[in-house]
Amino acid sequence: KAGVTQTPRYLIKTRGQQVTLSCSPISGHRSVSWYQQTPGQGLQFLFEYFSETQRNKGNFPGRFSGRQFSNSRSEMNVSTLELGDSALYLCASRKTSGDYNEQFFGPGTRLTVL
Amino acid sequence: SQQGEEDPQALSIQEGENATMNCSYKTSINNLQWYRQNSGRGLVHLILIRSNEREKHSGRLRVTLDTSKKSSSLLITASRAADTASYFCATVLSGNTGKLIFGQGTTLQVKP
Repeated sequence: KAGVTQTPRYLIKTRGQQVTLSCSPISGHRSVSWYQQTPGQGLQFLFEYFSETQRNKGNFPGRFSGRQFSNSRSEMNVSTLELGDSALYLCASRKTSGDYNEQFFGPGTRLTVL
Repeated sequence: SQQGEEDPQALSIQEGENATMNCSYKTSINNLQWYRQNSGRGLVHLILIRSNEREKHSGRLRVTLDTSKKSSSLLITASRAADTASYFCATVLSGNTGKLIFGQGTTLQVKP
């Protein structure tokens, strides 16, 4: 079974631009969560999507948004980029029944904002 | 703010030795999980322990949970150079949710 994939793997943007990151979950997994990892703040939860609906949201400004498609693939968007948005963005998928707590992470997208 | 605090922040040991990492958290949890991350890549799930469990084993890993002290420990026995990585504890506050609250992590270096 293929793992979680994220595209692109690396991205360089300038302040003020916007960016869209993509995540394809493991086949059959209907929940996708997004995390931001920075040296200063560590790993922080952004949001979780299940059945195309946002289920949970972390404490991030409205510039961070996401969506999920009917095939469970998810995208996150960051508008009006700031230098502090430079981070590794990780997505994770999980089952939503049975043994549902284990999350499977993708390799991440490293975003650099100049 | 982070739910979990991990101790130590960094640990350096020789191959064959045991490594112990500790995690403390602030609020009641449904379960606690440990993840490994190699060099800024994706996280790998290691083990999950539920709030009504006290100890769990998986291969060379042993996890304990003390809900009265709101703390957990991860023991890696007979460490190998390949165990060099960052280790994170993550808590889940309520049942069926994808929201993990991570600690700051422990960086483990295992010297050959």
